[in-house]
Amino acid sequence: QKEVEQDPGPLSVPEGAIVSLNCTYSNSAFQYFMWYRQYSRKGPELLMYTYSSGNKEDGRFTAQVDKSSKYISLFIRDSQPSDSATYLCAMTLNNAGNMLTFGGGTRLMVKP
Amino acid sequence: EPEVTQTPSHQVTQMGQEVILRCVPISNHLYFYWYRQILGQKVEFLVSFYNNEISEKSEIFDDQFSVERPDGSNFTLKIRSTKLEDSAMYFCASRDPVAGADEQYFGPGTRLTVT
Repeated sequence: QKEVEQDPGPLSVPEGAIVSLNCTYSNSAFQYFMWYRQYSRKGPELLMYTYSSGNKEDGRFTAQVDKSSKYISLFIRDSQPSDSATYLCAMTLNNAGNMLTFGGGTRLMVKP
Repeated sequence: EPEVTQTPSHQVTQMGQEVILRCVPISNHLYFYWYRQILGQKVEFLVSFYNNEISEKSEIFDDQFSVERPDGSNFTLKIRSTKLEDSAMYFCASRDPVAGADEQYFGPGTRLTVT
């Protein structure tokens, strides 16, 4: 079983739609969870960071963590064509500078 | 807004040659990282560096790899004798320990092509 799994997509939605992106993980020791956006041939750009189970909102983005189910989500409201990118979830064991473990990414396409 | 920078953006080298990839982390950050991403695959951790020493490394980071902070601003990754399978995007990242979280900020990457 892979440590962190993401549906690779592509996920195609019309502009203005609500997008739901998800990751599952197998290691219950993961405590910190991040979502990165990566445009083609660019570096990952940090979007959201969460620690505890529950929701965290930042503008059009909401990150959700369910540690009991080992499941995290990123919701994008009012999606825009500029949101078209690959979304990577990443997680780490603690905040002592540990390595990030990434999912494979979900490619999102928002059509005008 | 401060950002991580990396040079060169693209490096082409022949198998067996040494390459040095350079990074300038965000100025007040103290944790530094290298990751790589083979085309179409996951971003993979290579090494983390803090207080002038390696704090963690992955199985990928074997004796062919080394890291150095030669001065107060640069952070380098050296591959001593490149192999075809080293072809990948290499990303540098840095983190502010005062932030109290694992928010790592990535550079734009160096595309390494080994021929």
